[in-house]
Amino acid sequence: SYVLTQSPSMSVAPGQTARITCGGDNIGSKNVHWYQQKPGQAPVLVVFNESDRPSGIPERFSGSKSGNTATLTISRVEAGDEADYCCQVWVSDSDHLVFFGGGTKLTVL
Amino acid sequence: EVQLVGSGGDSVRPGGSLRLSCVASGFTFSSYEMNWVRQAPGKGLEWVAYIRSSGTKTLYADSVKGRFTISRDNAKNSLYLQMSRLGAEDTAVYYCARFSRLGNYFDYWGQGTLVTVSS
Repeated sequence: SYVLTQSPSMSVAPGQTARITCGGDNIGSKNVHWYQQKPGQAPVLVVFNESDRPSGIPERFSGSKSGNTATLTISRVEAGDEADYCCQVWVSDSDHLVFFGGGTKLTVL
Repeated sequence: EVQLVGSGGDSVRPGGSLRLSCVASGFTFSSYEMNWVRQAPGKGLEWVAYIRSSGTKTLYADSVKGRFTISRDNAKNSLYLQMSRLGAEDTAVYYCARFSRLGNYFDYWGQGTLVTVSS
């Protein structure tokens, strides 16, 4: 098993920067991906392979990793960014392929 | 446009069975690995099962191993999840999700189908 740890919630004012973290043992050796999920909707990929953005995702969304922590950074936060954000890794040497973090609820004040 | 349309969710009694389906369009379904991911009410995402593009390899989360079976019909662009011996802990929205060919992440998700297990 593999555990990804996220803070359950955070809040930020519009225009400020939100930094959502995801911790895991030896996460430095794994590719980390991030999803945004709004109430009643399916998750949407916002960052893959630590720092790449799918087409259509604003440049305000960026990712990084240092030590045992990956970080999703949302710059110039907007009201529409209010959502749950979840990290994900793939574990190749296991029959249990995919692990998700518990998710962080971002509230825009 | 890539689309994944899930269906088959229902309310079932504990111990019952259910089969979920997911129809894919807008891409070459037979070239992609596919998964089922679920989300219990108010909880986070949980990976459930994986199937190779050819259907020759499947993997399961421990929580469903021996009870759920993932399968696919590439001729019908369809993914399935056969669920048996359902319990209250299986109550969730079930999403079909495509693995990207560029890495092991989910680049497209279905809209989800709700399974409720209750007496």
